[in-house]
Amino acid sequence: EAGVAQSPRYKIIEKRQSVAFWCNPISGHATLYWYQQILGQGPKLLIQFQNNGVVDDSQLPKDRFSAERLKGVDSTLKIQPAKLEDSAVYLCASSLDRPPNTIYFGEGSWLTVV
Amino acid sequence: SQQGEEDPQALSIQEGENATMNCSYKTSINNLQWYRQNSGRGLVHLILIRSNEREKHSGRLRVTLDTSKKSSSLLITASRAADTASYFCATDTGQLTFGSGTQLTVLP
Repeated sequence: EAGVAQSPRYKIIEKRQSVAFWCNPISGHATLYWYQQILGQGPKLLIQFQNNGVVDDSQLPKDRFSAERLKGVDSTLKIQPAKLEDSAVYLCASSLDRPPNTIYFGEGSWLTVV
Repeated sequence: SQQGEEDPQALSIQEGENATMNCSYKTSINNLQWYRQNSGRGLVHLILIRSNEREKHSGRLRVTLDTSKKSSSLLITASRAADTASYFCATDTGQLTFGSGTQLTVLP
């Protein structure tokens, strides 16, 4: 079974530029998550989708971050304009739509803002 | 804010020794999970313990949960160099919240 796919793996941009990350979850997983992991810290939830609806986006900086999940499958996370403090790994994850809530992670997209 | 906090932040042991990591949390949980993250990779689920369970085993892993103390521990027995990674606890309160992790180094 294929895992969670993410791209690009690495991205370097200048501050105030924009960037987009793509995620394809495990087939059949209704719930999709985007986490931000700053170096040396644990992952922090940015947004959680259930099918194509948003369940929780309370920690998403909505002035610069946006995310969508079209047709309840793939998802994109966009940052515009980027700030230096956005340098982090952006992890996409998915889970089946039932407890227990075990999450399967992708390899992450590493963003460096210079 | 992060619900779970791991202790210690870093741990270095010799191959063959046991490694114990602790996690404390603040609110009631549905379950608690442990994940491993190798350098530069995504997180991998290791084990889940439900709030009504006290101990669980999986291979060389042993997890305990004390809901009265709001704490959990992860024991890795007979450690190997390949166990070198960061270990995170995650508390499920309807949403998974991760701690800041323990960096484990197993020296050959």
